Amino acid sequence: GENVEQHPSTLSVQEGDSAVIKCTYSDSASNYFPWYKQELGKGPQLIIDIRSNVGEKKDQRIAVTLNKTAKHFSLHITETQPEDSAVYFCAASSGGYQKVTFGTGTKLQVIP
Amino acid sequence: DSGVTQTPKHLITATGQRVTLRCSPRSGDLSVYWYQQSLDQGLQFLIQYYNGEERAKGNILERFSAQQFPDLHSELNLSSLELGDSALYFCASSQPKERGRLNEQFFGPGTRLTVL
Repeated sequence: GENVEQHPSTLSVQEGDSAVIKCTYSDSASNYFPWYKQELGKGPQLIIDIRSNVGEKKDQRIAVTLNKTAKHFSLHITETQPEDSAVYFCAASSGGYQKVTFGTGTKLQVIP
Repeated sequence: DSGVTQTPKHLITATGQRVTLRCSPRSGDLSVYWYQQSLDQGLQFLIQYYNGEERAKGNILERFSAQQFPDLHSELNLSSLELGDSALYFCASSQPKERGRLNEQFFGPGTRLTVL
């Protein structure tokens, strides 16, 4: 089955700096890579996703890159703000029934 | 608000007991997924249902079972509870209109289960 590794497990950045979270996956059949943000006491919420036919996707301060050859993908947050503080999960999925395998999460702390 | 509802929000019970967690998916969503999140752990996929039928199974214990009803709500049954079953249980839903289409999963707020 799919195995998704995520690094780092914790990340502290100064407000305004950039944050990068990296993930690797094992199943070459995976073709959908969502990123979720989980705030304290809430369920995960999708913030951006990328499909295997695209190498990069950007949405305002958030961008995701995918390297299918190396089987890794990354989340980039620029100009971080205190409200970006949360746990971020990467995930990988393949197939029509969307079984999703999640990484272990990165706790991001943005220091004002 | 994702549109996915879960009840109850909190549940405290004793070892050996049985509990039922309930999930109502977003209107129109056909797929329901159950996840377990232990303290400081990631999300472990348990099971998926699509339009009433089981579609995928993850790391779900034999003591756990689930079903999806004709109105598309789902229940996760946890029996012979152990201390280690204490966790957040999330339900998510999505609407794959056709096989092979990959869609966003919308998560509910979760049920926090505490086994004493």
